[in-house]
Amino acid sequence: AQSVTQPDIHITVSEGASLELRCNYSYGATPYLFWYVQSPGQGLQLLLKYFSGDTLVQGIKGFEAEFKRSQSSFNLRKPSVHWSDAAEYFCAVGPKAAGNKLTFGGGTRVLVKP
Amino acid sequence: EAGVTQSPTHLIKTRGQQVTLRCSPISGHTSVYWYQQALGLGLQFLLWYDEGEERNRGNFPPRFSGRQFPNYSSELNVNALELEDSALYLCASSLEGRQETQYFGPGTRLLVL
Repeated sequence: AQSVTQPDIHITVSEGASLELRCNYSYGATPYLFWYVQSPGQGLQLLLKYFSGDTLVQGIKGFEAEFKRSQSSFNLRKPSVHWSDAAEYFCAVGPKAAGNKLTFGGGTRVLVKP
Repeated sequence: EAGVTQSPTHLIKTRGQQVTLRCSPISGHTSVYWYQQALGLGLQFLLWYDEGEERNRGNFPPRFSGRQFPNYSSELNVNALELEDSALYLCASSLEGRQETQYFGPGTRLLVL
């Protein structure tokens, strides 16, 4: 069965500092990989996705993620965090089959210090 | 372009009651998914509807059900509400032929007392 682990429940980062959120997945083959962000009281917004090809994926809001097959990881990074990046971030995997469910990690809550 | 919309935004019910949540997908999207985000349980897949049919179901009891209408909007029904049904219910939609990418609505927050 597929699973996603986000080892860090909370991360506190200073505004302007870099951010890296970890995501490890377990799946029999290379899945589709996603990062979503959820601001307080809001739904999920898709930040970026990886299907195939270049392992470094660029997303919205200055985020990028790198797929590392050997480590079964898909870590999210941002070089310089803004206060508006304070939110909860979810990594998700989906099988390469139409319409199948997404399996989410437990989420990482990011706090941004001024 | 309007995103996924859900109604109501919040509601409060008591144990044993029934509730209906509504979702309108992005225009042109034919698949609708429902997820439950409960405290301590994370985001869990509930149901997937496509072209009016239930295509997949998560590990939830039969009192969670739904349907999809010809205009691709969807309802989620929960019967015999239990306290642990308190959660944020998220609806997502995807484009025909691009069902790997799901776009989420703002959710309906349900509180069961």
